[in-house]
Amino acid sequence: EDQVTQSPEALRLQEGESSSLNCSYTVSGLRGLFWYRQDPGKGPEFLFTLYSAGEEKEKERLKATLTKKESFLHITAPKPEDSATYLCAVQAMTDKLIFGTGTRLQVFP
Amino acid sequence: ETGVTQTPRHLVMGMTNKKSLKCEQHLGHNAMYWYKQSAKKPLELMFVYSLEERVENNSVPSRFSPECPNSSHLFLHLHTLQPEDSALYLCASSQDRDQPQHFGDGTRLSIL
Repeated sequence: EDQVTQSPEALRLQEGESSSLNCSYTVSGLRGLFWYRQDPGKGPEFLFTLYSAGEEKEKERLKATLTKKESFLHITAPKPEDSATYLCAVQAMTDKLIFGTGTRLQVFP
Repeated sequence: ETGVTQTPRHLVMGMTNKKSLKCEQHLGHNAMYWYKQSAKKPLELMFVYSLEERVENNSVPSRFSPECPNSSHLFLHLHTLQPEDSALYLCASSQDRDQPQHFGDGTRLSIL
């Protein structure tokens, strides 16, 4: 069965304290892995797509990496405005997008 | 106006009411989606439309009825809902099925 697991469920960081979020997946034929950011009261905002193991994408303080079993979202020197829930989703050969439950990140000044 | 717009943002309804959720996308995308988001659960895909044809229906109860009159508009008609249907309903669109989906800000639905 296709499955996506995100960890940790919640993460509290001091401003400037770098860390990583994990997304482990089991899927029959990966077409793509997507990272989204969701702020309270808003819909998910697209961040990155990764298609193959070894691929990396960067945007400001965020860097996403992909292996055959998991993806990491690295946050370097986070700021309070990076506080949000980060969602991971994988797309199987059926085109269906399977989401994880997310990691709720809080960055304190 | 750009992106994906959903109305209303909040909706409170009784179990016997009939209401509709509206979604409009200004991105020129070919595919549109309805998702349900409940606390502590992953987003659940409800319906998929590609070029105005329904291509997926994930065992959603018949009290939810989608409609896609054109490639820019998507509706979710609600009838005789249950308390467990209270959730955030999100609409999304993508250029094609294998492209990133762009979401609206959702309708927060509460069933009394």
